[in-house]
Amino acid sequence: KAGVTQTPRYLIKTRGQQVTLSCSPISGHRSVSWYQQTPGQGLQFLFEYFSETQRNKGNFPGRFSGRQFSNSRSEMNVSTLELGDSALYLCASSLQGLDEKLFFGSGTQLSVL
Amino acid sequence: AQSVTQLGSHVSVSEGALVLLRCNYSSSVPPYLFWYVQYPNQGLQLLLKYTTGATLVKGINGFEAEFKKSETSFHLTKPSAHMSDAAEYFCAVSEPQAGTALIFGKGTTLSVSS
Repeated sequence: KAGVTQTPRYLIKTRGQQVTLSCSPISGHRSVSWYQQTPGQGLQFLFEYFSETQRNKGNFPGRFSGRQFSNSRSEMNVSTLELGDSALYLCASSLQGLDEKLFFGSGTQLSVL
Repeated sequence: AQSVTQLGSHVSVSEGALVLLRCNYSSSVPPYLFWYVQYPNQGLQLLLKYTTGATLVKGINGFEAEFKKSETSFHLTKPSAHMSDAAEYFCAVSEPQAGTALIFGKGTTLSVSS
């Protein structure tokens, strides 16, 4: 079974631009969640999608958004990038939700210049 | 509101020594508790989790953790450290009854010396 796949692996953007990150969950997993990891703030929950609906949301500004497609693949979008958005963005999937074992991708390393 | 505190951002042990990584949580309802490990340049991997029932939970790679409600703790232990255990470890909590999201601690980096 293929694991969680995140693309791209690395991204470099400039302030003010927007970016879209992609996550393909393990086949059969319906829950996809996103996390931001930085040295200062650690690992922070962004949001969770289940059956194409956002089910949980962390404390991030509206510039951070996401969506899930009918095949459970998910995208995360960050608009009007700021320097502080530079981070490793991790995606995780599970069968039903956050209370189960999460399977993480290797992440997308975003650098904002 | 739930929160997680991992005491000690860095822990160093010798190979063969006991590993103890500390995690304390706050939660208004019975929590689910997790330990994840992250190796360099990789995503996180679940070591073990506590939901209900037996308070001593055994995980992969010889790790175990004990849920102590009176101390609001969920410390991770391993009797004998191996070089391959060097990684960053995250404790996390969720509150399924309250429907809240997963909250992670800041992480503890474990170094193992020979």
